Amino acid sequence: GENVEQHPSTLSVQEGDSAVIKCTYSDSASNYFPWYKQELGKRPQLIIDIRSNVGEKKDQRIAVTLNKTAKHFSLHITETQPEDSAVYFCAASPSGYALNFGKGTSLLVTP
Amino acid sequence: GAVVSQHPSRVICKSGTSVKIECRSLDFQATTMFWYRQFPKQSLMLMATSNEGSKATYEQGVEKDKFLINHASLTLSTLTVTSAHPEDSSFYICSARGLVANEQFFGPGTRLTVL
Repeated sequence: GENVEQHPSTLSVQEGDSAVIKCTYSDSASNYFPWYKQELGKRPQLIIDIRSNVGEKKDQRIAVTLNKTAKHFSLHITETQPEDSAVYFCAASPSGYALNFGKGTSLLVTP
Repeated sequence: GAVVSQHPSRVICKSGTSVKIECRSLDFQATTMFWYRQFPKQSLMLMATSNEGSKATYEQGVEKDKFLINHASLTLSTLTVTSAHPEDSSFYICSARGLVANEQFFGPGTRLTVL
């Protein structure tokens, strides 16, 4: 089955700096890679996703890159703000199957 | 669009009792729903995949007789935790797969506390 590794487990940045979270996956059949933001006690919220036919996708301050050959994908948040503080999960999924989540990254943005 | 609700949001029960959690897709039909469990400060762990009109597929290590899943309609899946024990206390989250392949929408979760 799919195995998703996520690093780092915790990340602390100053407001305005960039944050990068990296994930690797094992199943070459995976073709969908979403990123979720989860605040304490709440549901995961999809913030951006990328499919295997695309190498990079950007949405305002958030971008995701995918390297299919190396089987890794990354989340980039620029100009971080305190409200970006949350736990971020990457996930990978072959078509039609359930999501396999990484262990999460607790991001803290300090003013 | 793509709203998923979950009920109840919070439940406290005594050890040995059963608890039913409902997951509904409010504005779309979901042939497939997924049930996850999340312990504090941990990731979401897939428990089972629920397909409308057929038996659920359970992940390794998840007892199907303890966690009963029913997906009787295209908008409703239920998870029943039978004979609950304190170690079953967790945050249970469902998700429903939308029309776009792979995209999943999560319910708000149910916090289960077993005393």
